[in-house]
This record gives sequence, C-alpha cells and structure tokens, in this order.
Amino acid sequence: AQSVTQLDSQVPVFEEAPVELRCNYSSSVSVYLFWYVQYPNQGLQLLLKYLSGSTLVKGINGFEAEFNKSQTSFHLRKPSVHISDTAEYFCAVSGVDAGNMLTFGGGTRLMVKP
Amino acid sequence: DGGITQSPKYLFRKEGQNVTLSCEQNLNHDAMYWYRQDPGQGLRLIYYSQIVNDFQKGDIAEGYSVSREKKESFPLTVTSAQKNPTAFYLCASRNRGSTEAFFGQGTRLTVV
Repeated sequence: AQSVTQLDSQVPVFEEAPVELRCNYSSSVSVYLFWYVQYPNQGLQLLLKYLSGSTLVKGINGFEAEFNKSQTSFHLRKPSVHISDTAEYFCAVSGVDAGNMLTFGGGTRLMVKP
Repeated sequence: DGGITQSPKYLFRKEGQNVTLSCEQNLNHDAMYWYRQDPGQGLRLIYYSQIVNDFQKGDIAEGYSVSREKKESFPLTVTSAQKNPTAFYLCASRNRGSTEAFFGQGTRLTVV
C-alpha cells in the first residue's frame, strides 16, 4: 500500500516569485510518481511524472520536480509563477506493477497574487 | 478528438434517490476508474475496472455500484445508501502497460 502527504493545503505567492509545493510518500514497493494540476471545476491534467532515470523531471508550463528516494519526496517547483498557475495541485503515486492504482495526496491550492 | 466524457457536468438529487453518472471513453483504454473528490481530502478511489465485465471495489465503495458491459463505458450509480453523496466525481482511464491516467471533466453531484 502507498500513501501521499502534501504538507501544505494552501500556498499563497506573488506573481513572478518562485514556488515549491511539497510532497512526501510512503510505499513498501518501488513507485512511479506524478503531479497533476486541476483548474476550477475541471478534471486533472498531468504536469509531469517520474518513472526512472534522472531524478529531475521537467514538465509542462515550466514546472519541474525532483525525486529524492532517501527522503521519499517529490517536490514540485517553478522558478517564476504566473497568475494563470493558480490552481489545485495533486501529487500521486502508484506501484510499478501493472494495474496498480493511483493514490493521491490531499492537494495543495496554489494562489498567485498580483 | 479522443478523450473521456462525463455527463452531466452538474447533477442535483433528492435524498433517497439513486442517480447514475455517465463516463464514456473513446481512447480504447482497458482500465477505468471512479474517484470522489472532497475539499482537503484529495481523490479517493471508489471502484475500478481492468477489463470488461470485471470490476473491483476501491477504498470507499460503500453506497456505490458500477457496471462494465462495454469497454468504452463505466457508469457509476450513487445509491440512497451513500450517506454523504454531495461531492465532485471524476472518471479516469488508463491503457494496459501505460503509466498515465486520463481524466474526464468531472460531475458535481449535489443532494438537495
């Protein structure tokens, strides 16, 4: 079984400032890691994913995340946010075996202020 | 365009009534999933199906039922046994061997 903890439920930040959204996970097996973004009353869109290889993963919209196995973390970062980045962000994990389910964290609401 | 379609987008139900949420995909994906989203709780898995005519309970299946008679369709019924059905419901699908899940736009169910 896996679990995901997103340490901040809300993150306010000013436009053009850097941001980090924190995610920690626990699992007894090897995992894949994901970040999804959700705009109001919409479904989820994949931002980026870590499967294997380089621990720094780049995604869409200028986001990147770093997998840290020793700290069981997968924090999401962006060097300069825009108003349009205001949304809810979800970290998720799944076991590497085929058919394993996605387990989601509680979400972090990113609020970008002008 | 290929994708997942959930309907309706907004749904109101009276207490004691069953209601069915539709989820259709034309991505030819094998697996389909239903999640419930409540503020601050992320997404919780209700039911999932890996192949036609087979499905399994997720973490919060009580008060819900599903069917998978066709590969492209995975409807969710919220029964009167579900004590707190007001929520945002998301359907997703994934192809066998793929790591990425695709989501529909969601249905917001409100019990009045």
